[in-house]
Amino acid sequence: DTAVSQTPKYLVTQMGNDKSIKCEQNLGHDTMYWYKQDSKKFLKIMFSYNNKELIINETVPNRFSPKSPDKAHLNLHINSLELGDSAVYFCASSQEPAGGAQETQYFGPGTRLLVL
Amino acid sequence: GNSVTQMEGPVTLSEEAFLTINCTYTATGYPSLFWYVQYPGEGLQLLLKATKADDKGSNKGFEATYRKETTSFHLEKGSVQVSDSAVYFCALSGNTGNQFYFGTGTSLTVIP
Repeated sequence: DTAVSQTPKYLVTQMGNDKSIKCEQNLGHDTMYWYKQDSKKFLKIMFSYNNKELIINETVPNRFSPKSPDKAHLNLHINSLELGDSAVYFCASSQEPAGGAQETQYFGPGTRLLVL
Repeated sequence: GNSVTQMEGPVTLSEEAFLTINCTYTATGYPSLFWYVQYPGEGLQLLLKATKADDKGSNKGFEATYRKETTSFHLEKGSVQVSDSAVYFCALSGNTGNQFYFGTGTSLTVIP
């Protein structure tokens, strides 16, 4: 029944490793997002895809690469992890992008990444 | 550009107290405004929204009115409960740039 799901929920890894976080939504939405939330709860958008096409690509290191194999999935791959990448990463989806009539976002439960 | 400014927390209230969390925005065009709530250990979920000036969004006893003249969307609740303890985010969606803009979040703790 879960609308937006993410795996894994927790991820503890060493500096320099490469890791992926997966996101799936079963709402039939066309738009998906990745956000990073730091320890002070500040939420920053990273990427947005609409119908599998990248529409927002904020200033994030190119070690972060999103991949959308289909409309229901948006995965985040991170190369050469650094200490500063430790955060909670949220996936979200909406029927339409911002400005559309059906723009309400539905968030996943988050992936807590800790880089040691 | 578009931005959202929220009052800083944390906010601690006793049960049944009145809550106001201030939110002001800067936007071009006619944005939609939202309040999202994040309960401990969970993702954000929509609390209420308003899509045009003078609209009032309401849900679970919370209300916010879209005030274009003061560029504000303050969140209010007449009587808070312990279960309202969470982080509250004000947000806007601009009709340009395909993007949502979130405030910094306000942490609320309600004590019995």
